[in-house]
Amino acid sequence: AAGVIQSPRHLIKEKRETATLKCYPIPRHDTVYWYQQGPGQDPQFLISFYEKMQSDKGSIPDRFSAQQFSDYHSELNMSSLELGDSALYFCASSFSGGSYEQYFGPGTRLTVT
Amino acid sequence: GIQVEQSPPDLILQEGANSTLRCNFSDSVNNLQWFHQNPWGQLINLFYIPSGTKQNGRLSATTVATERYSLLYISSSQTTDSGVYFCAVPIGAGGTSYGKLTFGQGTILTVHP
Repeated sequence: AAGVIQSPRHLIKEKRETATLKCYPIPRHDTVYWYQQGPGQDPQFLISFYEKMQSDKGSIPDRFSAQQFSDYHSELNMSSLELGDSALYFCASSFSGGSYEQYFGPGTRLTVT
Repeated sequence: GIQVEQSPPDLILQEGANSTLRCNFSDSVNNLQWFHQNPWGQLINLFYIPSGTKQNGRLSATTVATERYSLLYISSSQTTDSGVYFCAVPIGAGGTSYGKLTFGQGTILTVHP
């Protein structure tokens, strides 16, 4: 079965640079979530989209923005990167017409140097 | 918001042993998921179990929603079971089935050969 696809899997950036993370949800899934997991931490919710509209927002820095496109893929844009942004970024998707179970992608490991 | 607590925080087993992981939550839920985060960081869906009992091979899970806890059982543990086990529930008002997940702090499981 198709899973959530994230790219890139690994990303190394320097401070103050910009990064773009991409997420391709499971086909037919209409909701996308982004989570951030710092070292030794549990995943923390950043932002979500339902049918291409932002549906909820967590503790996402103003330097971060995201959107969901007409093909349902989503991108998380991160600017003015800081050392503290180094983390594992997960995208998850779910289908509102089903159980709402969230399926997670493999994650993008971002390292800011 | 809803609080999620997992116990024990750490668990060390010999291969072949059985274990029980617990997840307590502070409000009623209609959605609960268990995940295994492997040493490579991937979050693997184990169970979607808002209530009742489910089994998948050596793993099984039980959620008693009225008493606000869920249990994950691992039998005949293998070294590949090592990693972090998370439970997660929707953050929204009591009884919400969908939306951003809040995770417990996780149980770190180490299985020695």
